[in-house]
Amino acid sequence: ETGVTQTPRHLVMGMTNKKSLKCEQHLGHNAMYWYKQSAKKPLELMFVYSLEERVENNSVPSRFSPECPNSSHLFLHLHTLQPEDSALYLCASSQENLRNEKLFFGSGTQLSVL
Amino acid sequence: GDSVTQMEGPVTLSEEAFLTINCTYTATGYPSLFWYVQYPGEGLQLLLKATKADDKGSNKGFEATYRKETTSFHLEKGSVQVSDSAVYFCALSRRRGSGSRLTFGEGTQLTVNP
Repeated sequence: ETGVTQTPRHLVMGMTNKKSLKCEQHLGHNAMYWYKQSAKKPLELMFVYSLEERVENNSVPSRFSPECPNSSHLFLHLHTLQPEDSALYLCASSQENLRNEKLFFGSGTQLSVL
Repeated sequence: GDSVTQMEGPVTLSEEAFLTINCTYTATGYPSLFWYVQYPGEGLQLLLKATKADDKGSNKGFEATYRKETTSFHLEKGSVQVSDSAVYFCALSRRRGSGSRLTFGEGTQLTVNP
């Protein structure tokens, strides 16, 4: 148990569906992240929220829309996805302003786009 | 930009064998270096880290030494166990403003057979 909980664990959706991924952290951290993990590729940083403000986007397609209503919760809203978006989506959190640079990850949501 | 290159997997070993997973990096300045591990069905967990040249990180029998002259951070373990079967990720971090951002390698799948 890392203190970062992601739901759902598995999600299958069609290209016209709209769905949301949820992440909750119980560690009192002030930064949260979305990563995309595809086979044979490095983890891709999609979004960063630090102190509830989005500070980095990394040119992610607009069909992915993040939301961070408070420092404990992070969402990733999905719409009109493509089959190549099928991947494991990982949420992470950290405590900024401390030189520990350690990320705590959730178990991920395995997404399949049909 | 920053990048991390890991030896290609998968790696298959017998129990009690010696393990080396190579990692080299490209970055300006003095990044911190990390090894994360991902067990089946779970998110990534920090395994060990080193923050400056010649530092050795160690945990659970694993070791890695920060070699600035060869820009490397190879992971080693003297005697692997079946429970070490996982995917191992090398990563570097450079601070940006008040926080840090990790750049990951592709991951190396390790399977240890009894």
